[in-house]
Amino acid sequence: DSGVTQTPKHLITATGQRVTLRCSPRSGDLSVYWYQQSLDQGLQFLIQYYNGEERAKGNILERFSAQQFPDLHSELNLSSLELGDSALYFCASSSQSNSGNTIYFGEGSWLTVV
Amino acid sequence: QKEVEQDPGPLSVPEGAIVSLNCTYSNSAFQYFMWYRQYSRKGPELLMYTYSSGNKEDGRFTAQVDKSSKYISLFIRDSQPSDSATYLCAMSAAGQNFVFGPGTRLSVLP
Repeated sequence: DSGVTQTPKHLITATGQRVTLRCSPRSGDLSVYWYQQSLDQGLQFLIQYYNGEERAKGNILERFSAQQFPDLHSELNLSSLELGDSALYFCASSSQSNSGNTIYFGEGSWLTVV
Repeated sequence: QKEVEQDPGPLSVPEGAIVSLNCTYSNSAFQYFMWYRQYSRKGPELLMYTYSSGNKEDGRFTAQVDKSSKYISLFIRDSQPSDSATYLCAMSAAGQNFVFGPGTRLSVLP
């Protein structure tokens, strides 16, 4: 158990809909990262937050947004969903903002868009 | 040239074999090196973490970092069918984000 908690584990939704994925980082970790992994693909970095502030942005679509709350949990919002958004979405956390440490992953939220 | 390169495999070995997994990278600023194991549809699990150059051993796993060659390796001794997974290398530098390799899919055949 990495200590990173993600909910929901699975969800199925229709095209055009909006979903919210939730992540609780490891105790004490200030940085939260979101990654997307499509079937048999590598990890695609979406966005990083550190102590409530956006720190780095990857290939995140404009239809997607994220935030980190004062209690350090984070949410990834996916809207106007398309079939191609079906993927595993991972949250990860680390204790340092400068990535000078290591990163721990949650078990992921498996999104299926039909 | 990609920042981190890793042979995607698949790599198939018989049970008990020594497995060698490798990554090369181009950013000489990388100082922190990690190996993750990912089972199908599961979250990547941290296996090894190394700072700068050198070797690190943990049970059947040994991680090596050669910064002069920009080359890192993970060795698995006495491989088991339960080691069948995708292995991801990752690296970072102070002030920079983590960069992951695409992963090598390993199958250990009983």
